[in-house]
Amino acid sequence: EVQLVESGGGLVKPGGSLRLSCAASAFTFSSYNMIWVRQAPGKGLEWVSFINFRSDTIKYADSVRGRFTISRDNAMNSLYLQMSGLRAEDTGVYYCTRDKDLNIRASDIWGLGTTVTVSS
Amino acid sequence: EIVLTQSPGTLSLSPGERATLSCRASQSVSGYLVWFQQKPGQAPRLLMYDASNRATGIPDRFSGSGFGTDFTLTISSLEPEDAAVYYCQQRSAWPLTFGGGTKVEIK
Repeated sequence: EVQLVESGGGLVKPGGSLRLSCAASAFTFSSYNMIWVRQAPGKGLEWVSFINFRSDTIKYADSVRGRFTISRDNAMNSLYLQMSGLRAEDTGVYYCTRDKDLNIRASDIWGLGTTVTVSS
Repeated sequence: EIVLTQSPGTLSLSPGERATLSCRASQSVSGYLVWFQQKPGQAPRLLMYDASNRATGIPDRFSGSGFGTDFTLTISSLEPEDAAVYYCQQRSAWPLTFGGGTKVEIK
């Protein structure tokens, strides 16, 4: 079964750091573009970051640029999100998603999410 | 940044009724509009991509239309399991943006 499983969430103090991981299985990870999306408690969806299959195109939301770093290891079938300078407004569920196809811009597979709480 | 405005905020309908959800973009996104369904405590689920293409496994009571700035998701005959929040997302330009969502309630 095609699957994405996030890990690494937790409670962190403002200004702290956290590294999220996303393990992919049952598909050729190296052939897909990947995206992180987050959702604050009781709020809507917010796009965070994008990385293409070769890691040569990377994009960030303004709200996280300079603080978050997306990366991937195709040999390990894994996606990462290094988060630093965390703020209360970064609290939420972080989802790892896969684009349906290199030519179809749509997140067709989502993980269950990992929860990040930024609080003192 | 392209702003997506979804309306109505909440839709309350009975089973069997037709639901029409709107997503309006602040500038053209061509056909690069995606719809997701999210139920409480679950991850979002892809419904439609490129405005009008149903994702794998999505029932044909769901349909999408539109181009440019005005898009519609239609549920032709509501089922109880369609109760959820529906989000649109544009994939035309960076940054990617989502609409605020439409909550569909089943009476």
